[in-house]
Amino acid sequence: NAGVTQTPKFRILKIGQSMTLQCTQDMNHNYMYWYRQDPGMGLKLIYYSVGAGITDKGEVPNGYNVSRSTTEDFPLRLELAAPSQTSVYFCASSYSLGYQPQHFGDGTRLSIL
Amino acid sequence: DQQVKQNSPSLSVQEGRISILNCDYTNSMFDYFLWYKKYPAEGPTFLISISSIKDKNEDGRFTVFLNKSAKHLSLHIVPSQPGDSAVYFCAASADNDMRFGAGTRLTVKP
Repeated sequence: NAGVTQTPKFRILKIGQSMTLQCTQDMNHNYMYWYRQDPGMGLKLIYYSVGAGITDKGEVPNGYNVSRSTTEDFPLRLELAAPSQTSVYFCASSYSLGYQPQHFGDGTRLSIL
Repeated sequence: DQQVKQNSPSLSVQEGRISILNCDYTNSMFDYFLWYKKYPAEGPTFLISISSIKDKNEDGRFTVFLNKSAKHLSLHIVPSQPGDSAVYFCAASADNDMRFGAGTRLTVKP
C-alpha cells in the first residue's frame, strides 16, 4: 500500500549541477503533479500530467522538465541547479484534475549551494 | 498573485476546545475546496472537501463551512486533540487549476 513514493528524501546540489527527482505511484491514477513549497508559502504547481505521454506547465515551470512514459512514473528534472530552486518538492497523483483529492508523497528536500 | 490566503500562520488551542481555521479566496471561478493536513517530514494528506453547491460538510470532528458571497471557508475541529497538531492547508480548484494557501500551524495543548 505504498501510494506515492518519492526519492531521494534529501539532496544537496552545487550550483549548475543537474538531477532527477523520482516519483512513482501504485494507485493507477492518470493525473500526476509536481509542486514546490517554499518557506511560508503554499504549494506551487510546477508541472502536471493527465496521462502517459502528456505533460503541461503549471504556475512555476521555469528551470524544470518532466516526462511521463508510464502511468506510474513522473520524474522531475533540474538541468542547471540554481539557489532559487532550493525548496521542498512534492509529487502527487489523483483520479481527476481539480475535483478529486490529491495523494502526496513525503517530499524531497533539496538544497542548492 | 495569491488567490488563496490563510492569514493566520499559527493557532494555539487547548485540548477539548474548538479550533477554527480560516481561508479566503479571490477567484470566483473556484467551485471545489479542500483541506489538507500535514505533519513534519510527511506529505499533505486529504482531510475534508466541499463543493460550491453546499455550505457545510461534516466528517466526524471536522466540519468545513463555505460562504461563497464572502469567498471564505473555514475548518472547525471539535473537540481538538493533541494529535490534531499539524499544518493545515486549504486549497481551491476550478477545472484544471488548483491553488493552495500557505498553511496554518495548529498546536493543540494538553
